[in-house]
Amino acid sequence: DAGVIQSPRHEVTEMGQEVTLRCKPISGHNSLFWYRQTMMRGLELLIYFNNNVPIDDSGMPEDRFSAKMPNASFSTLKIQPSEPRDSAVYFCASRSGPRGGNEQFFGPGTRLTVL
Amino acid sequence: DQQVKQNSPSLSVQEGRISILNCDYTNSMFDYFLWYKKYPAEGPTFLISISSIKDKNEDGRFTVFLNKSAKHLSLHIVPSQPGDSAVYFCAAKHPPGTYKYIFGTGTRLKVLA
Repeated sequence: DAGVIQSPRHEVTEMGQEVTLRCKPISGHNSLFWYRQTMMRGLELLIYFNNNVPIDDSGMPEDRFSAKMPNASFSTLKIQPSEPRDSAVYFCASRSGPRGGNEQFFGPGTRLTVL
Repeated sequence: DQQVKQNSPSLSVQEGRISILNCDYTNSMFDYFLWYKKYPAEGPTFLISISSIKDKNEDGRFTVFLNKSAKHLSLHIVPSQPGDSAVYFCAAKHPPGTYKYIFGTGTRLKVLA
């Protein structure tokens, strides 16, 4: 199994530009999570989906952030417009269904730099 | 407000000795706790977990202890190896019945050869 796949691995953009981060969860997993890692706050959950439906988006910082999961094998996190304070590493994670374990499997992350 | 706290940002331990990483939490409703390990440029990987109905769980060199009255958990690594050098995150599952995790800020462990 390839594990959780994220693209791009690195993204450098200028303030005001739109940024789209992509994630492919592990096949057969039905929960998907987007996290942001910063030095000050550690790993923060932004949003999670269950069976492609957003369950909890209380961690999304503001309206500039949006996430979609059009099907079981793909999700996007979009920031529009981006700001320098959005610079962080963004992780996607997935988890198998109700009979699976409690652990989440993380992708390698996307390092976003907004200039 | 941080509900899961790792107050030591870093820890250095000699190879072969015990590493103890600590984690404190504020919410008594947390029912499941996990530890993740993270190497540079990689995503976190699951290490070990414990249910709130237990006070200890062991897996090889790794043991997690839970003290519910103190709202404290710790990860013991014995013996420590240079390959254990990484950032360790503790996480708590909340609310019960969901798979939403609240993570701490991490502790960077350095095992000296």
